[in-house]
Amino acid sequence: EVQLVQSGAEVKKPGESLKISCKGSGYSFTSYWIGWVRQMPGKGLEWMGIVYPSDSDTRYSPSFRGQVTISADTSISTAYLQWSSLKASDTAMYYCARQKSAGGGNLWFDPWGQGTLVTVSS
Amino acid sequence: QSVLTQPPSASGTPGQRVTISCSGSSSNIGSNTVNWYQQLPGTAPKLLIYSNNQRPSGVPDRFSGSKSGTSASLAISGLQSEDEADYCCAAWDDSLSGPVFGGGTKLTVL
Repeated sequence: EVQLVQSGAEVKKPGESLKISCKGSGYSFTSYWIGWVRQMPGKGLEWMGIVYPSDSDTRYSPSFRGQVTISADTSISTAYLQWSSLKASDTAMYYCARQKSAGGGNLWFDPWGQGTLVTVSS
Repeated sequence: QSVLTQPPSASGTPGQRVTISCSGSSSNIGSNTVNWYQQLPGTAPKLLIYSNNQRPSGVPDRFSGSKSGTSASLAISGLQSEDEADYCCAAWDDSLSGPVFGGGTKLTVL
């Protein structure tokens, strides 16, 4: 079974750093892009960026470039999303998802991780 | 403000057919395929429809998708109580070089 398992919920203070993880299993981790998606409380989904674990090629949404860092470690089939200095506005649920493609702009996310809730509060 | 536009809510009674619309532009739906995700309360999104009208294994054929121009629709026939969820459309956006999502439609089964 193809599965993405994310790290647990985090409670942090503004200014602190954080790295959350997403471990893939049941498929060739190096063969698929892994994306990160933010869902703020009561809001819709927002694409943050993606990483290709095989060569660590990374792409960011302009809205998140410079705000977060996405990376992957193929030795443990795990992708990461990290912040160097959290803000209260980073409070959200964060999902990782495997990107599948049928060529060109025919791409979709499947499966998704269960989500990691990040709460930033003083 | 989401790039793709969906109605915030929809409703129907058990057994009815409901449709949810998704409107975009030439840089996303107009030139790429559309996907739909179902998000049951308190859970992660799940792929429901991909490539405009393809169902992943395990998704009932009560769910169907279509696309025309810069708009797409999700149809659910034979509505069941377990269909009560948020439904979100998505498509690759050539300007963003990444996927864009709709704001989601909360479906209530009356």
